[in-house]
Amino acid sequence: EVQLVESGGGLVQPGGSLRLSCAASGFTFSSYWMHWVRQAPGKGLVWVSRINSDGSSTSYADSVKGRFTISRDNAKNTLYLQMNSLRAEDTAVYYCARDPYPGALSAFDIWGQGTMVTVSS
Amino acid sequence: NFMLTQPHSVSESPGKTVTISCTRSSGSIASNYVQWYQQRPGSSPTTVIYEDNQRPSGVPDRFSGSIDSSSNSASLTISGLKTEDEADYYCQSYDSSNPVVFGGGTKLTVL
Repeated sequence: EVQLVESGGGLVQPGGSLRLSCAASGFTFSSYWMHWVRQAPGKGLVWVSRINSDGSSTSYADSVKGRFTISRDNAKNTLYLQMNSLRAEDTAVYYCARDPYPGALSAFDIWGQGTMVTVSS
Repeated sequence: NFMLTQPHSVSESPGKTVTISCTRSSGSIASNYVQWYQQRPGSSPTTVIYEDNQRPSGVPDRFSGSIDSSSNSASLTISGLKTEDEADYYCQSYDSSNPVVFGGGTKLTVL
């Protein structure tokens, strides 16, 4: 079964750090571009970051640029999101998602179940 | 940067047809594919339409997608509405400067 399972969410104080993981199974992880998408409570979907299949190219939303880092370990079939200098407005469910297309055409065909990140003192 | 604008909410009765619009603020809607995602309460999103008008396997043919260059918008049409279609629906596209852009989402109520 094709599956993405996120972990690593939790409660963190403003200014703190957290690393999210997304374990992939049931497909050749190293062949796919991957994304992180977040959703604040009661709000819509917001794209966060993207990484290409070998990890050599990344993109970020302006709101997280310089604070978040996306990476992957293809040997471990795992996607990561290192989040530093966290702010209250980063509070959201974070989803990892598979992109069925390499390159500029972006879409999502598989989503994880999400992991909740709460930034609060 | 461009935006995708959706109605905040729509409602319709079971068995009827509803159309959700997604209007692109700048650049041509036809230049880049549009996807549609369904998100039921408490669940992750799933794809109902990709590449403007293609349905993934398992999505009923009651769901269809189209684009209209004259209004620079995409539309998701759901016919024969069922109570299980009640969900939030998001359109999504991209361009060379913006890897991913989501619409704000539309809450569909089937009553």
